[in-house]
Amino acid sequence: KQEVTQIPAALSVPEGENLVLNCSFTDSAIYNLQWFRQDPGKGLTSLLLIQSSQREQTSGRLNASLDKSSGRSTLYIAASQPGDSATYLCAVIEGAQKLVFGQGTRLTINP
Amino acid sequence: KAGVTQTPRYLIKTRGQQVTLSCSPISGHRSVSWYQQTPGQGLQFLFEYFSETQRNKGNFPGRFSGRQFSNSRSEMNVSTLELGDSALYLCASSLRSSGGATEQFFGPGTRLTVL
Repeated sequence: KQEVTQIPAALSVPEGENLVLNCSFTDSAIYNLQWFRQDPGKGLTSLLLIQSSQREQTSGRLNASLDKSSGRSTLYIAASQPGDSATYLCAVIEGAQKLVFGQGTRLTINP
Repeated sequence: KAGVTQTPRYLIKTRGQQVTLSCSPISGHRSVSWYQQTPGQGLQFLFEYFSETQRNKGNFPGRFSGRQFSNSRSEMNVSTLELGDSALYLCASSLRSSGGATEQFFGPGTRLTVL
């Protein structure tokens, strides 16, 4: 059974810092991996999708990497801003579009 | 292009009742998946529908069911509600392809409270 773990559970940093969020998964037989952000009481916003054949994907200040062999992914956020405060979730995509989520990292950027 | 829409946004029900939630996917998307989010269990997969057929199912009791219509809109039904069914129910849509899993886009969710 696939298990996804995100460390740390919560992170608080001052504005302007670069930061890394970690995600690990137990079964490397995944299709893809997707990173989301969730604001309190809201739905999920897709940030990046990494295909299983890719090593990384970039969008603006975000860069996500994937190492299937070690079962790890990282989300790098450059020059953090208060608007980046949210819960970040990683999810591995198994067969038939099933997402298996981690518990998330609650990120707070302090002005 | 409009995003995924879910109705209603909030629901309050009592134990034993049943409820139906609706999801309209992004135009052109034919796959709709449903997830339950609770503080204790996090996000858990309920089921996925593609071309009006359930393609995958999570580990939930038979009280949870769904269907998909020819226009790809989907409904989820929960019968004989229990207090533990209180959660945020999220719907996701994707293009889905035979070549592999595609990016999923989520709606704002339906907040269900069972009293």
